Amino acid sequence: GAVVSQHPSWVICKSGTSVKIECRSLDFQATTMFWYRQFPKQSLMLMATSNEGSKATYEQGVEKDKFLINHASLTLSTLTVTSAHPEDSSFYICSASGGAFFETQYFGPGTRLLVL
Amino acid sequence: GQNIDQPTEMTATEGAIVQINCTYQTSGFNGLFWYQQHAGEAPTFLSYNVLDGLEEKGRFSSFLSRSKGYSYLLLKELQMKDSASYLCAVRDSRYSSASKIIFGSGTRLSIRP
Repeated sequence: GAVVSQHPSWVICKSGTSVKIECRSLDFQATTMFWYRQFPKQSLMLMATSNEGSKATYEQGVEKDKFLINHASLTLSTLTVTSAHPEDSSFYICSASGGAFFETQYFGPGTRLLVL
Repeated sequence: GQNIDQPTEMTATEGAIVQINCTYQTSGFNGLFWYQQHAGEAPTFLSYNVLDGLEEKGRFSSFLSRSKGYSYLLLKELQMKDSASYLCAVRDSRYSSASKIIFGSGTRLSIRP
C-alpha cells in the first residue's frame, strides 16, 4: 500500500512557459499532499501543504502566484510552475498522507524540471 | 521553530554496522521519522518513532529518547546498496496539518568494500 505516482518524471521547457506536474495517490485517499523542491546536494525544502478541497498553505518565501497548487480530489494534486525560468530548474517531489497512512508521508518518484 | 541536526557525511565498510545520530529541538514533538534517499531519487520511508525505545525492522533499527531530543538509525550488515542519504524528520503537533513534518539536511552515507 501507500503508492504515490508523479507525472511527468522529467520535463524540459523553454523559459516563460508553464509546466504542470501531477501527483496521485494510487491506493489510498490522500487528505493531505505536500510539495517539495530539492536542489542538487541540498535537503528537501517544503513548498506548500495542500488539503483536499481547500487552498494550499505556502511556506515562507514561496510565491503562491508562481507555484499554483490544486488539490481537487482525494487522489490528485497538481503543481503548476507558471512562467518558468532557469532558476526554477529543480527536482520537484510530492508526498501524500491520509486514510490508513495518516501518520507519515509517502513520496512520489519526483519530477525533474529543466528550464532552458 | 524546529532545529534538526545530523552529521553531513559518514563512511562505513561493507558488512559492518553504522549508527547515524539525530538531535532535534521542537516545542510540540509528535513523532520522528527516518527516510532513505538514493541520489536522484525520492525519499523512501524507513521508520517512525513516537514513543521512547528501539524499533527494529530487519537490518535497520531506530531509537528515540524524547527527554534528550535524540534519535539514531542503526544499520547492520551494511551492503553497498545502503549508500544513500538518510533523512531525519520531526513532526510538530503545533501545525494544523497533522502529518506535516520537517526534514533535517540529511546524512550522506558512503559504503566502501
